[in-house]
Order: sequence, then C-alpha cells, then structure tokens
Amino acid sequence: AQSVTQLDSQVPVFEEAPVELRCNYSSSVSVYLFWYVQYPNQGLQLLLKYLSGSTLVKGINGFEAEFNKSQTSFHLRKPSVHISDTAEYFCAVSSNSGGSNYKLTFGKGTLLTVNP
Amino acid sequence: DTAVSQTPKYLVTQMGNDKSIKCEQNLGHDTMYWYKQDSKKFLKIMFSYNNKELIINETVPNRFSPKSPDKAHLNLHINSLELGDSAVYFCASSQGRWEKLFFGSGTQLSVL
Repeated sequence: AQSVTQLDSQVPVFEEAPVELRCNYSSSVSVYLFWYVQYPNQGLQLLLKYLSGSTLVKGINGFEAEFNKSQTSFHLRKPSVHISDTAEYFCAVSSNSGGSNYKLTFGKGTLLTVNP
Repeated sequence: DTAVSQTPKYLVTQMGNDKSIKCEQNLGHDTMYWYKQDSKKFLKIMFSYNNKELIINETVPNRFSPKSPDKAHLNLHINSLELGDSAVYFCASSQGRWEKLFFGSGTQLSVL
C-alpha cells in the first residue's frame, strides 16, 4: 500500500522569504509523485510531477521539488514567495503496478500562508 | 470553456433525501474520478471510470452510485443522505494513468 505524509499542516511565511513544504511517501514499488495546489474555493491544480529522470523537477509559478529515493521524500520549494501563493498544497503518490494504476493517494495538505 | 464542470456548486439538503451531482469534461479524456474532501481538507478517491468502465471503487457506502453515460460524463447519485456525507465533492479527469488530473471546482454538500 502507498501513503503520503505531509509533515506540516500549516506553514506561515513572510512575503519574499523562501519556503519548503515537506512530503514523505511510502510504497512497496516504484512511485510517481505529484504536488497539487488548491486556491480558496477552487479545485486542485497540478504544480509539478516526478515520473522518472532528473530528480529535480521544476513546475509552474516558480516552484520546484526534489525526489530523494533514499529518504523517500519529495519536498516542495520556492526561493521567494508571493502573497498570491497562499493556498493549500497537496503531495500525492501513485504507484506503477497493481490495482492502484489509476489512483492518486493524497497527503493531508499543508496550508501555506504568506504574510506581508 | 470550463474544462471540468460540475453542478451544482452548492447543495443543501435534509437527511434522508436523495441527490445527484453532475460532472462533464470537454477535454476528451478517457478517465474520470470522484473525490471527497472532508472538513479537514483530506482528499480521498471514491470512484474512477475509464471509458465508461468502473475501475476503482474504494470502500464507499452502497448509497453512493456513480454513473457514466459516456466518457465525457460522470455523475454521482447519493441515496438516503446522512450528516457524515457533508463534504466537498470533486470531479476530475485525466488522459492516461500518469498524466495530470484536471479538477472541477467542487460541489459543497451540506446535509442538515
């Protein structure tokens, strides 16, 4: 079975500061990893995904994430945040075999609040 | 044009009633999903259809019945609504198992 742990439920930061949102996963097989963002009263949007290849993945809005297999982590980073980055961020994992082929398992989310 | 649209956006109803939520995607995707997001923002898959065929059915009560008349539509019917059904329900679609999910804007269901 696969699972995702987002270590921080809330992360407050000041505008233009760097931020890291932490995500750890567990799975018995190779995984594909995703970060989604949910702005208030909206559905989720894909920020970035790791399927294979380079472990540093760049996404939209200046976000990037690094896949670390030995630490089973996929932390999300941004060097300088804006007020508009205030949102809920979800890490998700999908394995590439078995009955979970079409299923994403989401973490419980991290609320990023950017203060002026 | 909205890629994944679901209606209604808000649904307030009494316990015991039956209600439906409709979802349509105009992206030509072959896979559609229903997710439930509870009050703590936890998002969990309920169902998935691929080309109108049910491929994922998580442990969801029988009161929930998805229907896919064609691959562009996936509706969710809920019988005998309970207080615990109150949540935001999201429809999503994707093309292929590893491509990104496109989410609708959600239906906030409140059972009184």
